[in-house]
Amino acid sequence: DGGITQSPKYLFRKEGQNVTLSCEQNLNHDAMYWYRQDPGQGLRLIYYSQIVNDFQKGDIAEGYSVSREKKESFPLTVTSAQKNPTAFYLCASSRRDSQETQYFGPGTRLLVL
Amino acid sequence: AQSVAQPEDQVNVAEGNPLTVKCTYSVSGNPYLFWYVQYPNRGLQFLLKYITGDNLVKGSYGFEAEFNKSQTSFHLKKPSALVSDSALYFCAVRDRGNNRKLIWGLGTSLAVNP
Repeated sequence: DGGITQSPKYLFRKEGQNVTLSCEQNLNHDAMYWYRQDPGQGLRLIYYSQIVNDFQKGDIAEGYSVSREKKESFPLTVTSAQKNPTAFYLCASSRRDSQETQYFGPGTRLLVL
Repeated sequence: AQSVAQPEDQVNVAEGNPLTVKCTYSVSGNPYLFWYVQYPNRGLQFLLKYITGDNLVKGSYGFEAEFNKSQTSFHLKKPSALVSDSALYFCAVRDRGNNRKLIWGLGTSLAVNP
């Protein structure tokens, strides 16, 4: 899991509630990513950021929001607009060059009460 | 459209036997190719990648992969499987342009039987 931490390990969301997943890295990486993993569907990109104060939507950004105010941090908010939030969420980071490896955190499992 | 295929949802192999996990891709140009492993309820761990040069790439835990440009494949191999290799394996590719996004396969579950 390298120098990437995600918290909490498990998170419970009530109907209509926004929740925020934390991702911190101490690898001095410029780029950070959020993925959603569902059984049998592999990894799907939610948002990514190549540099501080900039981020782009991935393939399934609806119902999610992010911020990138610091190089080390890339929090993901799952909003009430995300109707099916139950999944395993993975954060990753990498250097900026396209050949660079993405390194992953341990993941957060989000469950709906 | 760019895509990655892992044609086998599950691979079963006996401990000590060689293993192969298949990956084929459809990406323009000469992509970068990656293999990751995921143990239950854990994040993904990087195994190896192909950037350029020798088509046979060696990685962590005794794994290797062979890049075959004509067949657009990047199969993961290990000469002698261990029970501890049982996990979910993902292949991913990225083109050499400015696109930061990795294209992921759906994963192959490897079961190594004692």
